[in-house]
Amino acid sequence: ILNVEQSPQSLHVQEGDSTNFTCSFPSSNFYALHWYRWETAKSPEALFVMTLNGDEKKKGRISATLNTKEGYSYLYIKGSQPEDSATYLCALYNTDKLIFGTGTRLQVFP
Amino acid sequence: SAVISQKPSRDICQRGTSLTIQCQVDSQVTMMFWYRQQPGQSLTLIATANQGSEATYESGFVIDKFPISRPNLTFSTLTVSNMSPEDSSIYLCSVDGGGVQETQYFGPGTRLLVL
Repeated sequence: ILNVEQSPQSLHVQEGDSTNFTCSFPSSNFYALHWYRWETAKSPEALFVMTLNGDEKKKGRISATLNTKEGYSYLYIKGSQPEDSATYLCALYNTDKLIFGTGTRLQVFP
Repeated sequence: SAVISQKPSRDICQRGTSLTIQCQVDSQVTMMFWYRQQPGQSLTLIATANQGSEATYESGFVIDKFPISRPNLTFSTLTVSNMSPEDSSIYLCSVDGGGVQETQYFGPGTRLLVL
């Protein structure tokens, strides 16, 4: 059974702070890692799909890195804003399926 | 991309009853997926639904409990049968963008509380 782990489980930061969280996964037979943002009462929104070791992707103030050899990905948010408050999910792509972590719940206080 | 709608958005049900959740996509897609997120747990795949064939269920999920229909390329339903409080979850449908490097697109979810 593949296990995808995310840490921390939750995070509270002040507006303007930068933050990061981790997704850990088995490094063997790697295909792709997805990051999603899920705001309450909305659909999970895709942020990144990462496939290559050393990949670094950026979308506005959010960026992500990937290390497939050691089995982890970091998501960074620079200068957090209250609208960044959401649950951030990572998911490992494996044989046509996504295996999700439990998510990191971020709350940004004004 | 794909736009997905789900009905109902939320419901409160009595134990022993059944609820059917509908998922509508704005374009034709081959594969549709049904997920569940129980409180404090990860988003877990229930089954994959292909049009014209029976759904493929993941370990721990059975057709008698979660029957799925896929009558055409834009629509699917998931029924949660003989509900118990443990079925209280968020249920999401999604579609595949196609390929390893494509994202999945999700509906807004159905929030179910079973009393």
